[in-house]
Amino acid sequence: AQSVSQHNHHVILSEAASLELGCNYSYGGTVNLFWYVQYPGQHLQLLLKYFSGDPLVKGIKGFEAEFIKSKFSFNLRKPSVQWSDTAEYFCAVNAGQAGTALIFGKGTTLSVSS
Amino acid sequence: EAGVAQSPRYKIIEKRQSVAFWCNPISGHATLYWYQQILGQGPKLLIQFQNNGVVDDSQLPKDRFSAERLKGVDSTLKIQPAKLEDSAVYLCASSTRTGSVTYTGELFFGEGSRLTVL
Repeated sequence: AQSVSQHNHHVILSEAASLELGCNYSYGGTVNLFWYVQYPGQHLQLLLKYFSGDPLVKGIKGFEAEFIKSKFSFNLRKPSVQWSDTAEYFCAVNAGQAGTALIFGKGTTLSVSS
Repeated sequence: EAGVAQSPRYKIIEKRQSVAFWCNPISGHATLYWYQQILGQGPKLLIQFQNNGVVDDSQLPKDRFSAERLKGVDSTLKIQPAKLEDSAVYLCASSTRTGSVTYTGELFFGEGSRLTVL
């Protein structure tokens, strides 16, 4: 069965610090990978996704993620965080063939102090 | 474009009572999902519909949970009778038809219905 592990439960950073959130998945076949973000009081929204092609994908608000197939990883990065990045971040995966629902990790809470 | 609508936003009930949640997906989205998100955990799929058919309900506790999408548009999730461990946020999401040329993999989520069972 597919599963997703997010290594950091709560990350606390100062503004302008660099961010990297770890995500590993367990699935032997082709996968689609996603990062979703939930800002305080708002609904989940897509940050970025990887289906195929360039393993370095760029999303909204300066976020990027790198798919490393050999490590079953899809880590999220941002070179310089802002206070407005305070949110909960979820990594998710589904099987490569279209049609399967997303499996989510437990989430990482990011707190950015100004 | 209107987003995914859910109601009610909050519900407090006592154990053994029943509750129902409603979801209206984005217009034209054929696939609808119900997820359960317990505090401190990621969303867990309960059921996935494509039009009015069930694609996956393997993690739905069928002894107490039921869901329907009779006309292939809006959907209702019911819990009867509720248990303390059902306290969670129930998220509805929709997407374009999986397997279609317009499918992007992106799920669009509603704001959720927060259930507290006392």
